[in-house]
Amino acid sequence: QITLKESGPTLVKPTQTLTLTCTFSGFSLSTSGVGVGWIRQPPGKALEWLALIYWDDDKRYSPSLKSRLTITKDTSKNQVVLTMTNMDPVDTATYYCAHRRAGGPTPFDYWGQGTLVTVSS
Amino acid sequence: SYVLTQPPSVSVAPGKTARITCGGNNIGSKSVHWYQQKPGQAPVLVIYYDSDRPSGIPERFSGSNSGNTATLTISRVEAGDEADYYCQVWDSSSDPVFGGGTQLTVL
Repeated sequence: QITLKESGPTLVKPTQTLTLTCTFSGFSLSTSGVGVGWIRQPPGKALEWLALIYWDDDKRYSPSLKSRLTITKDTSKNQVVLTMTNMDPVDTATYYCAHRRAGGPTPFDYWGQGTLVTVSS
Repeated sequence: SYVLTQPPSVSVAPGKTARITCGGNNIGSKSVHWYQQKPGQAPVLVIYYDSDRPSGIPERFSGSNSGNTATLTISRVEAGDEADYYCQVWDSSSDPVFGGGTQLTVL
């Protein structure tokens, strides 16, 4: 059974750096083709993809946020970490991590429950 | 970058059929995935690869994809189907793209 859970601060101040951790079980990020992505959703708005990391450490970033994002993995701990610099109130959102299985244009088939991050002074 | 266009809202009476569209340039050449999101909950995959259903998803949910439009069809709509629905594809850079979402209201 695959599960993912996001953790991190619920409140950050403008200009600070946000660090979120996705802790997962039921799969290994060393399995060929597997990936973990981060997707966010501002209140009342649509899903927005942020970043993705694959089993081979290939990393992908949203072009509009690439300069602010870093994604890393710790395979031994079953964790994926996302950092976002220079936070702004418009970054207030629920942040999700999700599993992407191997093999072609696969979907995000398992999602974490999400964590709400508020950016405010 | 690749853009997916969804209608902001769709309304349907209980027992009727709801159709939610997802438009994109030659989307028929891509694999489309659909997610259901109920208030306060994480998205749930309901259709993948255009028309496949994950285990546990009712047969009332189906999908199609051709030309410039993909469609999620929900037959015999129930009150519990009221949710936001998002389509998703992978663009030419192998990055995921989400549609803007459609709010399904059951009258």
